[in-house]
Amino acid sequence: DTGVSQDPRHKITKRGQNVTFRCDPISEHNRLYWYRQTLGQGPEFLTYFQNEAQLEKSRLLSDRFSAERPKGSFSTLEIQRTEQGDSAMYLCASSSLAGGLGEQFFGPGTRLTVL
Amino acid sequence: GDSVTQMEGPVTLSEEAFLTINCTYTATGYPSLFWYVQYPGEGLQLLLKATKADDKGSNKGFEATYRKETTSFHLEKGSVQVSDSAVYFCALSVRGTYKYIFGTGTRLKVLA
Repeated sequence: DTGVSQDPRHKITKRGQNVTFRCDPISEHNRLYWYRQTLGQGPEFLTYFQNEAQLEKSRLLSDRFSAERPKGSFSTLEIQRTEQGDSAMYLCASSSLAGGLGEQFFGPGTRLTVL
Repeated sequence: GDSVTQMEGPVTLSEEAFLTINCTYTATGYPSLFWYVQYPGEGLQLLLKATKADDKGSNKGFEATYRKETTSFHLEKGSVQVSDSAVYFCALSVRGTYKYIFGTGTRLKVLA
């Protein structure tokens, strides 16, 4: 088990372009979460999946953002028509319902810079 | 709504000094509480956790006690080391969804 992985680790894009990030959770984990962390702040919840179902989305997730988790395995987060305010670290975490506590394991993050 | 308030940093201490980082929370019901640490250039790592009132989480010399009466979960360490320099985040887990609400983080710098 190699933990939660994210790809790419860094992404630089121009304003108006679309970007997609990938998260591979720990294999037996059925819950997957996306957070956004800006400089000097704590991570903020964006959305989460239980298996393939997206069960909650934050108001932070505008209609330019979309997330999927086909087949309940890896997940993708897409940002369309990027804006400079989207520059942040995007974190993925996974957890197991069986654990009860809901302890989340975090990936290394994808740092997005929008020029 | 649910929220976490952490003391602002940065906190600068000499090696072997006593550390306290304050954390208080507001929540509906009884959340689980966590401290995560983020070392420079690395991802978030779980430091310790507590699931119910009066539970004490501990790891690597760090401790925190879940205080329902004061809605607090302060992080303490008796003797800090240079290697403890990092950003520390307090978080609560919302019952049901188990999503996390994080504090803003406290940067700790330990000087030799």
